[in-house]
Amino acid sequence: GENVEQHPSTLSVQEGDSAVIKCTYSDSASNYFPWYKQELGKGPQLIIDIRSNVGEKKDQRIAVTLNKTAKHFSLHITETQPEDSAVYFCAASSLLNTGFQKLVFGTGTRLLVSP
Amino acid sequence: EPEVTQTPSHQVTQMGQEVILRCVPISNHLYFYWYRQILGQKVEFLVSFYNNEISEKSEIFDDQFSVERPDGSNFTLKIRSTKLEDSAMYFCASSLGGLEETQYFGPGTRLLVL
Repeated sequence: GENVEQHPSTLSVQEGDSAVIKCTYSDSASNYFPWYKQELGKGPQLIIDIRSNVGEKKDQRIAVTLNKTAKHFSLHITETQPEDSAVYFCAASSLLNTGFQKLVFGTGTRLLVSP
Repeated sequence: EPEVTQTPSHQVTQMGQEVILRCVPISNHLYFYWYRQILGQKVEFLVSFYNNEISEKSEIFDDQFSVERPDGSNFTLKIRSTKLEDSAMYFCASSLGGLEETQYFGPGTRLLVL
């Protein structure tokens, strides 16, 4: 089955700096890669996702890149702000013909943005 | 904006007791999921549910677990005889399905088994 590795486990940056979180996956059939942000005591919230027919996607300060050959994808946050502090999870899945997705999550990265 | 809701937010129970965790998925969604997150660990898939049937389940989802959609809005996870190791945050998620595969998560139920 799919296995997702995520690095680093913790990341501390100064406000305004960029943050990069990297994930690798094992199943070449995976074709959907969402990133979730989890704040303390809350459920994961989708922040951006990318499908395997796209190499890069950007949404304001957040971007995701995907390298299908190397089976890795990354989250880039520019101009970080203290409110970006949270745990970020990457995930991978493949869409079955039933329309069902089973997300396999990475181990999470705790991002701390200091003012 | 529509959202997934879950009740209760916290539940404390004694080992061996039955618990039912409740979820109200987004109203037009067709696919429903339960995930579990043990404190400090990653989110793990438990089960998916579509058209009143389980689509897939993980090794964690043994005979002590069951899911049900008792009416048109609720989606429940039952643990028949809780164990200490069932203590975790349980998240419900739903998705529209097909090409719209984004899963939306609820706020979770924190279950503590004593």
